[in-house]
Amino acid sequence: ETGVTQTPRHLVMGMTNKKSLKCEQHLGHNAMYWYKQSAKKPLELMFVYSLEERVENNSVPSRFSPECPNSSHLFLHLHTLQPEDSALYLCASSQGEIETTRTGNTGELFFGEGSRLTVL
Amino acid sequence: ILNVEQSPQSLHVQEGDSTNFTCSFPSSNFYALHWYRWETAKSPEALFVMTLNGDEKKKGRISATLNTKEGYSYLYIKGSQPEDSATYLCAFNTGNQFYFGTGTSLTVIP
Repeated sequence: ETGVTQTPRHLVMGMTNKKSLKCEQHLGHNAMYWYKQSAKKPLELMFVYSLEERVENNSVPSRFSPECPNSSHLFLHLHTLQPEDSALYLCASSQGEIETTRTGNTGELFFGEGSRLTVL
Repeated sequence: ILNVEQSPQSLHVQEGDSTNFTCSFPSSNFYALHWYRWETAKSPEALFVMTLNGDEKKKGRISATLNTKEGYSYLYIKGSQPEDSATYLCAFNTGNQFYFGTGTSLTVIP
């Protein structure tokens, strides 16, 4: 139990579907992340939110749309995905850099268990 | 995109053996180096966060060292046990950005 919960754990969708992944953290962190894990590849950063503002968008296609309504919740909205988008999507949270410097927190990432997405 | 490399990609050892793996990372824009352990069907969990050149950290049978000048970190496991079987990830932290390696998959054979 890491304090980061992701739902659903498994999702199968067609290319024309619209679905969302949800992430919730109960750790009081101020930064949240979406990572993509494809087979044989390193964890790939998709989006970072710090204090509910998006600070990073690593050239992710617009068919992935993040939303961070508050510091505890993060969504990834999925629309017209391609089969190559099938992967494990991991959410993580951490104390951001400013908080790290002030409180001495190490800034480690706390991950959810991931949502396994299959696009047919 | 920064390149973080881990070797070996996978490793099979006998129970009781000691082992080590390597993480190589850029020596510029360094903020911290993280090691994570990722067991199948679970979430990655932080083992160590190291920030200073020459850092050595230890948690039970697992330890790690850091050389920021030459850009590498070693993770050591002494007397491997089957429960150590997992993928070990390192991540290079430049601040709020984390760049991960592909991991070393360790299997400890009873």
